[in-house]
Amino acid sequence: SAVISQKPSRDICQRGTSLTIQCQVDSQVTMMFWYRQQPGQSLTLIATANQGSEATYESGFVIDKFPISRPNLTFSTLTVSNMSPEDSSIYLCSSVFYNEQFFGPGTRLTVL
Amino acid sequence: KNEVEQSPQNLTAQEGEFITINCSYSVGISALHWLQQHPGGGIVSLFMLSSGKKKHGRLIATINIQEKHSSLHITASHPRDSAVYICAVSRYQGAQKLVFGQGTRLTINP
Repeated sequence: SAVISQKPSRDICQRGTSLTIQCQVDSQVTMMFWYRQQPGQSLTLIATANQGSEATYESGFVIDKFPISRPNLTFSTLTVSNMSPEDSSIYLCSSVFYNEQFFGPGTRLTVL
Repeated sequence: KNEVEQSPQNLTAQEGEFITINCSYSVGISALHWLQQHPGGGIVSLFMLSSGKKKHGRLIATINIQEKHSSLHITASHPRDSAVYICAVSRYQGAQKLVFGQGTRLTINP
């Protein structure tokens, strides 16, 4: 199995600031995914983080708002830029290891 | 209309009851996943199915590819089964990103 950790686990931020969320996998994985879960909603894919190339963003999400880094096969960061209260969500990273889905514990973000 | 629909959205039952959660999808898939999300937010993968039926402990998952429908059953339910259960599908062969249903919030009362 794979273990995914995220930092921070939660944060409260002011409008207009940015927060970078870190995701660490204890195994090398090809793709890492960043999801958002807004209050009371299910998960929505933000982007796929590819090692050695730019992230692939889903419709409705743009690099300027959610820049992603993937410097190696075990680590990725997601930045939530110029935050507004609408960005208050749980952000989760995920990957697949031997055909099984693994998720990080999530980062609970509140924007005031 | 969402590509993945779950029912019911909320389910409350007494300890020991047999639980069924349903998932219907409207697109071609390579696999269907059942996930469990606890109140703290952590998500655990329960099953990945592409056909037939799988069983793990008190949990059983079935899928009917022709009808584009899957069910998750919990036998002898227990308060610790209280969680949100999420159905998700992989759209393409080899695809790793998922499309999620809206989740079913299950509460088991002692």
